[in-house]
Amino acid sequence: SQQGEEDPQALSIQEGENATMNCSYKTSINNLQWYRQNSGRGLVHLILIRSNEREKHSGRLRVTLDTSKKSSSLLITASRAADTASYFCATDPHNFGNEKLTFGTGTRLTIIP
Amino acid sequence: NAGVTQTPKFRVLKTGQSMTLLCAQDMNHEYMYWYRQDPGMGLRLIHYSVGEGTTAKGEVPDGYNVSRLKKQNFLLGLESAAPSQTSVYFCASSYSSQGRRDQPQHFGDGTRLSIL
Repeated sequence: SQQGEEDPQALSIQEGENATMNCSYKTSINNLQWYRQNSGRGLVHLILIRSNEREKHSGRLRVTLDTSKKSSSLLITASRAADTASYFCATDPHNFGNEKLTFGTGTRLTIIP
Repeated sequence: NAGVTQTPKFRVLKTGQSMTLLCAQDMNHEYMYWYRQDPGMGLRLIHYSVGEGTTAKGEVPDGYNVSRLKKQNFLLGLESAAPSQTSVYFCASSYSSQGRRDQPQHFGDGTRLSIL
C-alpha cells in the first residue's frame, strides 16, 4: 500500500501563478522528500524536510510539514512552463532506513503559457 | 558524470521469455533500488541492495530476481515474463545512510518494457 497520497491528482494553472500540492501519509516518518518527474524521464530530487522541521525553502519551492496531521505541502511560486511535470512525495518511515522510501501516486502539474 | 544509466531503454518481450535489465551508477553509492511505475500506482519497490553482494525484497518482488555482483551494477531479471510485468522500470541509487536518514535517491531514465 502507498504510504503517501498526493492531492490533487492533476492541476492546471496559468504561467506565473502559484501551484500548491499536498501529500498525506499514514505512519510516523523520519523525513519526507519531494521529487519531480518530467515526461519520459526519471525522478529528480527536489527537497527534503526532516520530521523536526516545519518549513523549508529552496529557490521557488516551499515545503511545509505537519507531523500531527501527517501531511505536507509543496508550493511552487511564480510557475514557469518548465515546471510542467509530475510531482511525488516520498516518505522515509520511522522504522526503516533510506532503503524503504515509499512514494505516493503523484500530482500531474500543467503550466499553461 | 553519467549518474544512473539503465539499459535497454525499450524492450518488447513475448510471454514466457526471459531478460535482464542493467543498471549502472558511477557515484560510488552503496544503496541501489529497482522500482516499477504503473499508471495510478506510483512507484513500487521491487528489490533493493544495501551493498555489493547483498539484496533484499521490496514491496512487489514476485517474478523478479536481482544480483549485485559489483558495487556499481544492479541487475533485474525476469525469468518468465508475464503481461502483468508490462511497466516502466526505474533504477535508483543513494549514498549509504551510515546513521544519516537524509540521503536523496538518484534515478535513471527508465526501461519501458512491454510483455505481449
